[in-house]
Amino acid sequence: NAGVTQTPKFQVLKTGQSMTLQCAQDMNHEYMSWYRQDPGMGLRLIHYSVGAGITDQGEVPNGYNVSRSTTEDFPLRLLSAAPSQTSVYFCASSYSDGGRGLGYGYTFGSGTRLTVV
Amino acid sequence: GDSVTQMEGPVTLSEEAFLTINCTYTATGYPSLFWYVQYPGEGLQLLLKATKADDKGSNKGFEATYRKETTSFHLEKGSVQVSDSAVYFCALDTSNTGNQFYFGTGTSLTVIP
Repeated sequence: NAGVTQTPKFQVLKTGQSMTLQCAQDMNHEYMSWYRQDPGMGLRLIHYSVGAGITDQGEVPNGYNVSRSTTEDFPLRLLSAAPSQTSVYFCASSYSDGGRGLGYGYTFGSGTRLTVV
Repeated sequence: GDSVTQMEGPVTLSEEAFLTINCTYTATGYPSLFWYVQYPGEGLQLLLKATKADDKGSNKGFEATYRKETTSFHLEKGSVQVSDSAVYFCALDTSNTGNQFYFGTGTSLTVIP
């Protein structure tokens, strides 16, 4: 089925380890983003991309890197994992409406639950 | 800056009760407004949306009307079911370049038989 695919679903890391969370979409969406979800804090934007080769920081970018070499893929890299990065991570994608207010909305992946010990 | 404020939960209702979850927003320009639902262990799913003032979004018995005069987008359902138990998020899209979405903190709903 078309949609946003995230891998892995679960991951446990030791402090200081690095890893990459994968995100792929097959809907030809220009816009992709990464959020983290923590209890009582809703969804916070980490990084986003408006197209291949273009990325920008969101609300909580520290400790994370992204790249967008293709339209389909938008991996999130944790450089040196810390317990504060224990969270559920969601990737989302959307068509870009160029500011026309078309209200496409996001399609979300099913999430990656990350625990850093 | 742009933001979304939604009522805090958790909310517990009996089956067939009436549901209202309040959502107000602050935004420049004319945002699109959304409600997303998250079932346990899953990602967020689009429930309904409205792209301009006075529009009503509806889906699965849920409704919300885009009220520009009160900057609100309250979610309602006339008769909830146990299967509606989930976390509900209000969100706005500022429609600026970069498709900046802003989410509320979510409202947990539990429906008991």
